Amino acid sequence: GENVEQHPSTLSVQEGDSAVIKCTYSDSASNYFPWYKQELGKRPQLIIDIRSNVGEKKDQRIAVTLNKTAKHFSLHITETQPEDSAVYFCARGSTLGRLYFGRGTQLTVWP
Amino acid sequence: NAGVTQTPKFQVLKTGQSMTLQCAQDMNHEYMSWYRQDPGMGLRLIHYSVGAGITDQGEVPNGYNVSRSTTEDFPLRLLSAAPSQTSVYFCASSYSKGATGELFFGEGSRLTVL
Repeated sequence: GENVEQHPSTLSVQEGDSAVIKCTYSDSASNYFPWYKQELGKRPQLIIDIRSNVGEKKDQRIAVTLNKTAKHFSLHITETQPEDSAVYFCARGSTLGRLYFGRGTQLTVWP
Repeated sequence: NAGVTQTPKFQVLKTGQSMTLQCAQDMNHEYMSWYRQDPGMGLRLIHYSVGAGITDQGEVPNGYNVSRSTTEDFPLRLLSAAPSQTSVYFCASSYSKGATGELFFGEGSRLTVL
C-alpha cells in the first residue's frame, strides 16, 4: 500500500539456495523499513528491520540492505530451509505514524 | 503478558449489520493500529492511534470508525457492514510513538459479510 512495491510475488528455491526479495518506495520521509514473516494461518511477526541511517543489517541467515538514494531495500535469506517457507512482507514507516506494507512474497523452499 | 488480544476470532454478518472488533494490549504501548488483509493485497492500514484520545486515518478508512479512550483498548467499529469488508482484520501495537518500531499483532479476526 501507499506506494510500496514488492517483487517477486512468488519465489521458489531449493533448500540451501539464497532468496532475495526487493521493495521500492517513493516517500522520502520514510525512515524505518521492517520485514515481517507470516506463516499460514498465523499473525505476521517481525524478522528484521533497518533504519535510514544504516545501509545493511544482518541477523544470522537474514540480511537487509537499504539504498535510500534509490529508494529501495531488499531482504536476503541465505542457506534457505523448508521452515523459511512463508509469506514475507516489507514495509515502510515514518515518525508521522503510518506503516505501509507491500503486497507480500510467497516463498517456497523445496527440500 | 497476553500481548495483543482480539475478539471475536470469527464473525459472520449480514449486509447492513453493525459490529465492533475488540482489541486490547497489556504492554502499555502508545501506538495501536488496525489492518485488513485480503489475498494478494498485503496488509492495508485502516486507522491508527498514537495515544489515548488521538486517532487518524490510514489508507482504507471508509466504512470504519475507531476510538481510543484508554491506552489499552482500540476497538474498530463497522457501522453498516458490506460484502467488500469481508476480510481478516489484525490489530497491532508498538512501543514506538510513531510507525518506527516493531508491531506486535493480535491473532486476527476473520469477518465474513453476506
